[in-house]
Amino acid sequence: SQKIEQNSEALNIQEGKTATLTCNYTNYSPAYLQWYRQDPGRGPVFLLLIRENEKEKRKERLKVTFDTTLKQSLFHITASQPADSATYLCALGDTGRRALTFGSGTRLQVQP
Amino acid sequence: ETGVTQSPTHLIKTRGQQVTLRCSSQSGHNTVSWYQQALGQGPQFIFQYYREEENGRGNFPPRFSGLQFPNYSSELNVNALELDDSALYLCASSLRTGVNSGELFFGEGSRLTVL
Repeated sequence: SQKIEQNSEALNIQEGKTATLTCNYTNYSPAYLQWYRQDPGRGPVFLLLIRENEKEKRKERLKVTFDTTLKQSLFHITASQPADSATYLCALGDTGRRALTFGSGTRLQVQP
Repeated sequence: ETGVTQSPTHLIKTRGQQVTLRCSSQSGHNTVSWYQQALGQGPQFIFQYYREEENGRGNFPPRFSGLQFPNYSSELNVNALELDDSALYLCASSLRTGVNSGELFFGEGSRLTVL
């Protein structure tokens, strides 16, 4: 069955450093991958989408890579700020299914 | 533009009862999806509605049912509630286009507790 793995342990980093979050998947060939941010008690908020034929995508301080051979996506936040503290979810989709399959998320804590 | 709104925000039910959750989609969006998120887990797809018809369903039993109305708002109904149904129920709207990879716009969710 399809499986998506994100670091279950929280990631703690110092303000100003680059945060790198990992999303690995098995038994899946997604057409695209999305990253969402979720704050406690709130709904997820869309951040970035990357398609299977794209290696890298950037948006302001965010960067996503997608390696379909390794079956892995890396999500980077440069010059991190305490306001970046949240849970980050990766989600995989394909053009056939209507649903996104989410990982369980990684909690990021940026220390001032 | 108006975002996705869900109601109620919190509710408590007992086992065996029925619940109806409501969602107003974002202006201009024609597709509504429902997800269940247990504590510490990622959202799990329940089903999606497009043009008032169910258009994809996850691994949930038939006691989970839904509706979409002509104005694209939606309801999620759960019958015969079980303790494991306790979760955050998220509604997400999107605009269905030829390329089905659009971002989802989530509401803040309805927190259901089953005692």
